Amino acid sequence: GAGVSQSPSNKVTEKGKDVELRCDPISGHTALYWYRQSLGQGLEFLIYFQGNSAPDKSGLPSDRFSAERTGGSVSTLTIQRTQQEDSAVYLCASSLGPPGNTGELFFGEGSRLTVL
Amino acid sequence: SQQGEEDPQALSIQEGENATMNCSYKTSINNLQWYRQNSGRGLVHLILIRSNEREKHSGRLRVTLDTSKKSSSLLITASRAADTASYFCATVGSGTYKYIFGTGTRLKVLA
Repeated sequence: GAGVSQSPSNKVTEKGKDVELRCDPISGHTALYWYRQSLGQGLEFLIYFQGNSAPDKSGLPSDRFSAERTGGSVSTLTIQRTQQEDSAVYLCASSLGPPGNTGELFFGEGSRLTVL
Repeated sequence: SQQGEEDPQALSIQEGENATMNCSYKTSINNLQWYRQNSGRGLVHLILIRSNEREKHSGRLRVTLDTSKKSSSLLITASRAADTASYFCATVGSGTYKYIFGTGTRLKVLA
């Protein structure tokens, strides 16, 4: 696609429900990142994919969070048993390859999650 | 926290003035990048400076990097109302893949 696409753009859910957030990176981009941004704050690193592998999952806040990537393309971030503190904007970004080679991240518009 | 720090947190200037934002980071880096975020939107890449560079220009943007002080600055010259946004620095540590973002500077340019 022309850019990084994320869905849904907005999600309101009740505490305890599971949610899935989807990211479609730019075609051909092998690196994919998930970040979380709370209101008025900076970006918190969650997870990085190179192809379908996730070398580092240490940014995931708890075991309620998981992510996968299939076919070296689409990625899904799943939050189980959502809590109010999970409310944030979840940003996905992709790049051509590892940071040392290519540099620039291309971001989606984010998925705004509100947990009531 | 690995997160970088930026100052000021907020900056308000008149159109036509220059805006300077500073970023400090904690680890040795491969490169440093600046991004812009309009309210409620994704981030857009502005400029990248490598660890062996000291200064870089792109249009009205000027970036400096001082690796001995682990700091960088972004200068926007002749600011416009459309420059109103949040600006973030991001670093990539040597030998890592993780982009660490600063806390951001909220810039408001008054027409």
